[in-house]
Amino acid sequence: QLQLQESGPGLVKPSETLALTCTVSGGSISSGTYCWGWIRQPPGKGLEWIGSVWYTGITYYNPSLESRVTFSVDTSKNQFSLKLTSVTAADTAVYYCARRYCSNDVCYFFDYWGQGSLVTVSS
Amino acid sequence: EIVLTQSPATLSLSPGERATLSCRASQSIFIYLAWYQQKPGQAPRLLIYDASNRATGIPARFSGSGSGTDFTLTISSLEPEDFAVYYCQQRSKWPLTFGGGTKVEIK
Repeated sequence: QLQLQESGPGLVKPSETLALTCTVSGGSISSGTYCWGWIRQPPGKGLEWIGSVWYTGITYYNPSLESRVTFSVDTSKNQFSLKLTSVTAADTAVYYCARRYCSNDVCYFFDYWGQGSLVTVSS
Repeated sequence: EIVLTQSPATLSLSPGERATLSCRASQSIFIYLAWYQQKPGQAPRLLIYDASNRATGIPARFSGSGSGTDFTLTISSLEPEDFAVYYCQQRSKWPLTFGGGTKVEIK
């Protein structure tokens, strides 16, 4: 059974960098059949797609965050990571990592999700 | 970006009743729409993909329909565990976008 688990600091100071890692177990991150994504949800609000990354390192970012976000992949550890710079209180959210199934160069929807990691931006 | 508008914001129904949720896209997204269910403190769960296909393990009381700009999620007879928030999401164009959600609450 595939599992995804987010990890990282729960508290980040304003203007600093938020860093989270998603560890995948029960499956290989290196499979070309999947791409991996980050989605966030401010408390009491809706979902926002942050971006997606393939094991090859190819990335797509949400234009609203593109100037501040970077993804990376570590296939040896079966992990992928998110860095978000210059954070403000507006970046306070539950951050989810998730998987999309891909076939014939088409990627579908998020079928597996991590449990989510609450990150609070506060001094 | 493609904006998804969900209605109503809140739906108050009783167990056993039929729920009809709407998602409207700002431009055609063909059939490239999914529906998710989210319960408090949990991650979203994929229910329906590509407008009308149930994801693995999803009960038959959940069904999806629509194409182009107008989509519907129907729950034929609400079970107690179905009271939750439902989101739609499109994969037609980058950036991927979600609707604002519909809360199905117990009347």
